[in-house]
Amino acid sequence: AAGVIQSPRHLIKEKRETATLKCYPIPRHDTVYWYQQGPGQDPQFLISFYEKMQSDKGSIPDRFSAQQFSDYHSELNMSSLELGDSALYFCASSFVNRDTEAFFGQGTRLTVV
Amino acid sequence: TQLLEQSPQFLSIQEGENLTVYCNSSSVFSSLQWYRQEPGEGPVLLVTVVTGGEVKKLKRLTFQFGDARKDSSLHITAAQPGDTGLYLCAGGGGSTLGRLYFGRGTQLTVWP
Repeated sequence: AAGVIQSPRHLIKEKRETATLKCYPIPRHDTVYWYQQGPGQDPQFLISFYEKMQSDKGSIPDRFSAQQFSDYHSELNMSSLELGDSALYFCASSFVNRDTEAFFGQGTRLTVV
Repeated sequence: TQLLEQSPQFLSIQEGENLTVYCNSSSVFSSLQWYRQEPGEGPVLLVTVVTGGEVKKLKRLTFQFGDARKDSSLHITAAQPGDTGLYLCAGGGGSTLGRLYFGRGTQLTVWP
């Protein structure tokens, strides 16, 4: 069965640079979520989209933005990167009638140097 | 503030032993999910429980949702080294479009 696809798997950027993470949800899923997981931490919710509209917003810095496109894939844009942005970034997708049952991608490991 | 508290944080046992992991909250959740995560990988969904008092079994894993939908437990029978991993519980709020609230996880190590 198709899963959530994230790219790239690994990304190394310098401070103050910009990064773009991509997420392709499971086919027919209409909701996409972005989470950030620091070392030894639980996943922290950043933002979600339902039918291409922002549906919920968490602790996403103003330097980050995200959108969901007409084909339901989503991109997380991160600017003015800081060392503290180094983390695993997960995308998850779900179908609206399935009780927030979310399926996660393998994640993007972002390292800011 | 952590909405979901998991215990224990670490668990190290021998192969063949039984164990229970707890996930507690003072908040009511519409659903609760259990995930297992390997280092550097995404959480893998194990089960979703939605009805108070619900019990679901997945081979040697038994999941229970509390009657008041505020807590859950995961019981593993005859643990195997392949069960080693980080177990995360996550609660869904009232909106199916909203976020999941994660516990900090239980790191389970099963020794052969």
